[in-house]
Amino acid sequence: QVQLVESGGGVVQPGRSLRLSCEASGFMFSVFAMHWVRQAPGKGLEWVALISYEGTKTYYADSVKGRFTISRDSSGNTLYLQMNSLRDDDTAVYYCARGESRMDVWGQGTTVTVSS
Amino acid sequence: QSALTQPASVSGSPGQSITISCAGTSSDVGAYNHVSWYQQHPGKAPKLLIYDVSNRLSGVSNRFSGSRPVNTAYLTISELRPEDEADYYCTSKTSSSLYVFGSGTKVTVL
Repeated sequence: QVQLVESGGGVVQPGRSLRLSCEASGFMFSVFAMHWVRQAPGKGLEWVALISYEGTKTYYADSVKGRFTISRDSSGNTLYLQMNSLRDDDTAVYYCARGESRMDVWGQGTTVTVSS
Repeated sequence: QSALTQPASVSGSPGQSITISCAGTSSDVGAYNHVSWYQQHPGKAPKLLIYDVSNRLSGVSNRFSGSRPVNTAYLTISELRPEDEADYYCTSKTSSSLYVFGSGTKVTVL
């Protein structure tokens, strides 16, 4: 069935890096734009980044621009989020979601905790 | 990018109708038809309900409907049921081709 599975979360110290992955299955990954969305503990949803279906266009929220990089490997049906210079306020559950203007399939999320 | 403005909470009794607002500007909600609504139960991933302002995702109950008169979008839930108790978020594309979520609304079924 159509599915997104995130991985790569964990506990990391401030200033360090982490790479999240989102493996897609059950649909043609290469024709869909993809988002990363996060949710800090007890808070609302925050849009993080978007990558076009062909991977040539990327967009970022101001809060992560210059620190995070979204990318995709269509041959491997995988979406990535490289997170550098992590800060305490990056602590959140990170979701990947399919689609551009409508996020119609979501993963279960992976938790990132930034703490010394 | 400031979050779109939603009421923190809305409540209603079973069988009633409620409406959640999502206030934006002419640079986001009022600029594009790319306004969507999501439902999130505690500990779960969000679920798409409405896309492109008023289109219901296949399989979503017709008790959920969306509209957007000008720069504010609305989600109406009719015939409220206990299982509708959840958090609801709107989102919109912006003039910078970015996306922004609403602040979220907790719906309580009394």
